[in-house]
Amino acid sequence: NAGVTQTPKFRILKIGQSMTLQCTQDMNHNYMYWYRQDPGMGLKLIYYSVGAGITDKGEVPNGYNVSRSTTEDFPLRLELAAPSQTSVYFCALARILPSGRGNEQFFGPGTRLTVL
Amino acid sequence: GESVGLHLPTLSVQEGDNSIINCAYSNSASDYFIWYKQESGKGPQFIIDIRSNMDKRQGQRVTVLLNKTVKHLSLQIAATQPGDSAVYFCAENPRGSYIPTFGRGTSLIVHP
Repeated sequence: NAGVTQTPKFRILKIGQSMTLQCTQDMNHNYMYWYRQDPGMGLKLIYYSVGAGITDKGEVPNGYNVSRSTTEDFPLRLELAAPSQTSVYFCALARILPSGRGNEQFFGPGTRLTVL
Repeated sequence: GESVGLHLPTLSVQEGDNSIINCAYSNSASDYFIWYKQESGKGPQFIIDIRSNMDKRQGQRVTVLLNKTVKHLSLQIAATQPGDSAVYFCAENPRGSYIPTFGRGTSLIVHP
Protein backbone atom coordinates (compact mmCIF):
# COMPACT_ATOMS: atom_id res chain seq x y z
CA ASN A 1 0.00 0.00 0.00
CA ALA A 2 2.02 2.97 -1.27
CA GLY A 3 -0.57 5.62 -0.34
CA VAL A 4 -0.05 8.65 -2.57
CA THR A 5 2.67 8.56 -5.22
CA GLN A 6 3.93 11.61 -7.10
CA THR A 7 6.23 11.75 -10.09
CA PRO A 8 8.62 13.25 -10.91
CA LYS A 9 10.34 14.30 -7.69
CA PHE A 10 12.18 17.16 -9.37
CA ARG A 11 11.87 18.94 -12.69
CA ILE A 12 13.35 22.01 -14.36
CA LEU A 13 11.33 23.57 -17.16
CA LYS A 14 12.01 26.40 -19.55
CA ILE A 15 9.48 29.20 -19.88
CA GLY A 16 6.68 28.15 -22.20
CA GLN A 17 7.24 24.41 -21.88
CA SER A 18 4.49 22.12 -20.72
CA MET A 19 4.44 19.15 -18.39
CA THR A 20 2.19 16.87 -16.40
CA LEU A 21 2.69 16.16 -12.73
CA GLN A 22 1.46 12.69 -11.94
CA CYS A 23 -0.41 11.67 -8.80
CA THR A 24 -1.63 8.17 -8.09
CA GLN A 25 -3.30 6.71 -5.01
CA ASP A 26 -4.02 3.13 -4.02
CA MET A 27 -6.30 3.93 -1.09
CA ASN A 28 -9.55 4.13 -3.09
CA HIS A 29 -10.47 7.56 -1.74
CA ASN A 30 -12.71 9.91 -3.66
CA TYR A 31 -11.44 13.31 -2.60
CA MET A 32 -8.10 14.38 -4.09
CA TYR A 33 -6.31 17.71 -4.13
CA TRP A 34 -3.41 19.59 -5.68
CA TYR A 35 -1.58 22.21 -3.62
CA ARG A 36 1.39 24.42 -4.26
CA GLN A 37 3.74 25.56 -1.55
CA ASP A 38 6.00 28.53 -2.15
CA PRO A 39 9.11 29.08 0.01
CA GLY A 40 8.21 30.16 3.52
CA MET A 41 4.51 30.02 2.78
CA GLY A 42 1.57 27.77 3.48
CA LEU A 43 -0.36 25.53 1.14
CA LYS A 44 -2.55 26.97 -1.58
CA LEU A 45 -5.21 24.83 -3.21
CA ILE A 46 -4.99 24.68 -7.00
CA TYR A 47 -7.67 22.14 -7.92
CA TYR A 48 -9.57 19.38 -6.23
CA SER A 49 -11.74 16.44 -7.20
CA VAL A 50 -14.60 14.77 -5.33
CA GLY A 51 -14.52 11.67 -7.51
CA ALA A 52 -13.83 10.32 -10.96
CA GLY A 53 -15.06 12.71 -13.61
CA ILE A 54 -15.54 15.64 -11.23
CA THR A 55 -13.03 18.44 -10.69
CA ASP A 56 -13.25 21.97 -9.38
CA LYS A 57 -11.07 25.04 -9.01
CA GLY A 58 -9.34 25.94 -5.80
CA GLU A 59 -7.77 29.20 -4.74
CA VAL A 60 -5.06 29.47 -7.46
CA PRO A 61 -6.16 27.55 -10.59
CA ASN A 62 -4.82 29.90 -13.27
CA GLY A 63 -2.16 28.30 -15.47
CA TYR A 64 -3.14 24.75 -14.50
CA ASN A 65 -5.53 22.04 -15.61
CA VAL A 66 -6.54 18.72 -14.11
CA SER A 67 -8.42 15.61 -15.07
CA ARG A 68 -9.82 12.69 -13.07
CA SER A 69 -10.68 9.83 -15.37
CA THR A 70 -10.18 7.21 -12.66
CA THR A 71 -10.34 7.15 -8.87
CA GLU A 72 -6.61 6.37 -8.74
CA ASP A 73 -5.12 9.10 -10.92
CA PHE A 74 -5.28 12.88 -10.64
CA PRO A 75 -2.70 14.49 -12.96
CA LEU A 76 -1.94 18.22 -12.93
CA ARG A 77 -1.08 19.85 -16.24
CA LEU A 78 0.96 23.01 -16.82
CA GLU A 79 0.50 24.15 -20.42
CA LEU A 80 2.78 27.20 -20.64
CA ALA A 81 5.21 27.20 -17.76
CA ALA A 82 6.03 30.56 -16.17
CA PRO A 83 8.61 31.47 -13.51
CA SER A 84 5.71 32.22 -11.12
CA GLN A 85 4.92 28.50 -11.18
CA THR A 86 8.23 27.64 -9.53
CA SER A 87 7.08 25.88 -6.40
CA VAL A 88 6.70 22.57 -4.62
CA TYR A 89 3.54 20.75 -5.64
CA PHE A 90 1.75 18.37 -3.32
CA CYS A 91 -0.99 15.95 -4.19
CA ALA A 92 -3.23 14.86 -1.31
CA LEU A 93 -6.34 12.87 -0.58
CA ALA A 94 -8.91 13.14 2.20
CA ARG A 95 -8.66 10.17 4.53
CA ILE A 96 -11.49 9.56 6.98
CA LEU A 97 -10.24 9.24 10.54
CA PRO A 98 -11.39 6.52 12.96
CA SER A 99 -14.73 6.97 14.67
CA GLY A 100 -15.73 9.33 11.89
CA ARG A 101 -14.49 12.34 13.80
CA GLY A 102 -13.22 14.03 10.66
CA ASN A 103 -10.89 13.71 7.75
CA GLU A 104 -7.21 14.43 7.34
CA GLN A 105 -5.32 15.48 4.27
CA PHE A 106 -2.90 12.65 3.45
CA PHE A 107 -0.07 14.08 1.35
CA GLY A 108 2.25 12.69 -1.27
CA PRO A 109 6.00 13.42 -1.12
CA GLY A 110 5.82 16.40 -3.48
CA THR A 111 7.28 17.51 -6.81
CA ARG A 112 9.80 20.34 -6.80
CA LEU A 113 9.40 22.37 -10.00
CA THR A 114 11.68 25.15 -11.20
CA VAL A 115 10.80 27.26 -14.25
CA LEU A 116 13.71 29.20 -15.75
CA GLY B 1 -1.66 39.52 13.71
CA GLU B 2 0.01 37.36 11.09
CA SER B 3 3.23 38.71 9.65
CA VAL B 4 3.70 39.13 5.93
CA GLY B 5 6.83 38.42 3.95
CA LEU B 6 8.89 35.44 2.97
CA HIS B 7 10.01 34.26 6.38
CA LEU B 8 7.94 31.92 8.49
CA PRO B 9 7.39 32.72 12.14
CA THR B 10 10.09 30.81 14.00
CA LEU B 11 10.22 29.29 17.46
CA SER B 12 13.63 28.25 18.80
CA VAL B 13 13.81 26.04 21.87
CA GLN B 14 16.34 23.93 23.71
CA GLU B 15 16.05 20.17 23.71
CA GLY B 16 13.93 19.07 26.64
CA ASP B 17 11.93 22.30 26.86
CA ASN B 18 8.21 22.41 26.20
CA SER B 19 7.13 24.13 22.97
CA ILE B 20 3.92 26.01 22.30
CA ILE B 21 2.92 26.83 18.73
CA ASN B 22 -0.04 29.11 18.16
CA CYS B 23 -2.54 29.49 15.37
CA ALA B 24 -5.39 31.95 14.85
CA TYR B 25 -8.21 30.71 12.65
CA SER B 26 -10.70 32.86 10.82
CA ASN B 27 -13.94 30.96 10.21
CA SER B 28 -16.35 30.74 13.15
CA ALA B 29 -18.15 27.95 11.24
CA SER B 30 -15.07 25.72 11.43
CA ASP B 31 -15.74 22.75 13.64
CA TYR B 32 -12.75 20.52 13.05
CA PHE B 33 -9.06 21.34 13.35
CA ILE B 34 -5.84 19.51 12.58
CA TRP B 35 -2.18 20.11 13.26
CA TYR B 36 0.31 18.94 10.64
CA LYS B 37 4.08 18.53 10.84
CA GLN B 38 6.20 19.08 7.75
CA GLU B 39 9.81 17.97 7.83
CA SER B 40 12.27 19.37 5.33
CA GLY B 41 11.74 17.93 1.86
CA LYS B 42 8.59 16.03 2.79
CA GLY B 43 4.85 16.48 2.64
CA PRO B 44 2.84 17.51 5.72
CA GLN B 45 1.84 14.71 8.09
CA PHE B 46 -1.08 14.52 10.52
CA ILE B 47 -0.17 15.00 14.19
CA ILE B 48 -3.37 15.53 16.13
CA ASP B 49 -6.91 16.77 15.63
CA ILE B 50 -9.71 18.26 17.69
CA ARG B 51 -13.40 18.86 17.18
CA SER B 52 -15.10 22.07 18.24
CA ASN B 53 -17.03 20.32 21.01
CA MET B 54 -13.75 19.85 22.86
CA ASP B 55 -11.26 22.35 24.24
CA LYS B 56 -8.36 19.99 24.81
CA ARG B 57 -7.06 16.77 23.33
CA GLN B 58 -3.90 14.91 24.21
CA GLY B 59 -1.71 12.58 22.25
CA GLN B 60 1.73 11.22 22.85
CA ARG B 61 3.82 14.25 23.97
CA VAL B 62 1.44 16.60 22.12
CA THR B 63 -1.62 18.47 23.32
CA VAL B 64 -3.95 20.64 21.28
CA LEU B 65 -5.94 23.40 22.94
CA LEU B 66 -8.89 25.11 21.30
CA ASN B 67 -10.35 28.45 22.37
CA LYS B 68 -13.42 29.09 20.24
CA THR B 69 -14.17 32.42 21.89
CA VAL B 70 -11.05 34.01 20.43
CA LYS B 71 -10.66 31.55 17.54
CA HIS B 72 -7.29 30.33 18.70
CA LEU B 73 -5.60 26.96 18.50
CA SER B 74 -2.35 25.90 20.09
CA LEU B 75 -0.08 22.88 19.88
CA GLN B 76 1.98 21.99 22.91
CA ILE B 77 4.92 19.62 22.54
CA ALA B 78 6.35 18.25 25.77
CA ALA B 79 10.06 17.55 26.20
CA THR B 80 10.89 18.77 22.71
CA GLN B 81 13.43 16.71 20.82
CA PRO B 82 15.67 17.53 17.82
CA GLY B 83 13.44 15.28 15.73
CA ASP B 84 10.57 17.69 16.38
CA SER B 85 12.31 20.34 14.28
CA ALA B 86 9.92 21.03 11.41
CA VAL B 87 7.28 23.42 10.16
CA TYR B 88 3.93 23.05 11.89
CA PHE B 89 0.63 23.99 10.21
CA CYS B 90 -2.83 24.25 11.60
CA ALA B 91 -5.83 23.58 9.37
CA GLU B 92 -9.51 24.41 9.91
CA ASN B 93 -12.49 22.65 8.35
CA PRO B 94 -16.02 24.07 8.23
CA ARG B 95 -18.71 21.56 9.16
CA GLY B 96 -19.21 19.00 6.43
CA SER B 97 -16.44 20.44 4.28
CA TYR B 98 -13.62 18.50 2.70
CA ILE B 99 -11.75 21.69 1.82
CA PRO B 100 -9.52 22.76 4.71
CA THR B 101 -7.90 26.15 5.11
CA PHE B 102 -4.26 25.98 6.12
CA GLY B 103 -2.42 28.47 8.26
CA ARG B 104 0.92 29.80 7.11
CA GLY B 105 2.98 27.65 9.43
CA THR B 106 5.53 28.06 12.19
CA SER B 107 9.09 26.80 11.97
CA LEU B 108 10.21 25.00 15.13
CA ILE B 109 13.96 24.75 15.66
CA VAL B 110 15.17 22.53 18.48
CA HIS B 111 18.73 23.05 19.66
CA PRO B 112 20.51 20.05 21.19
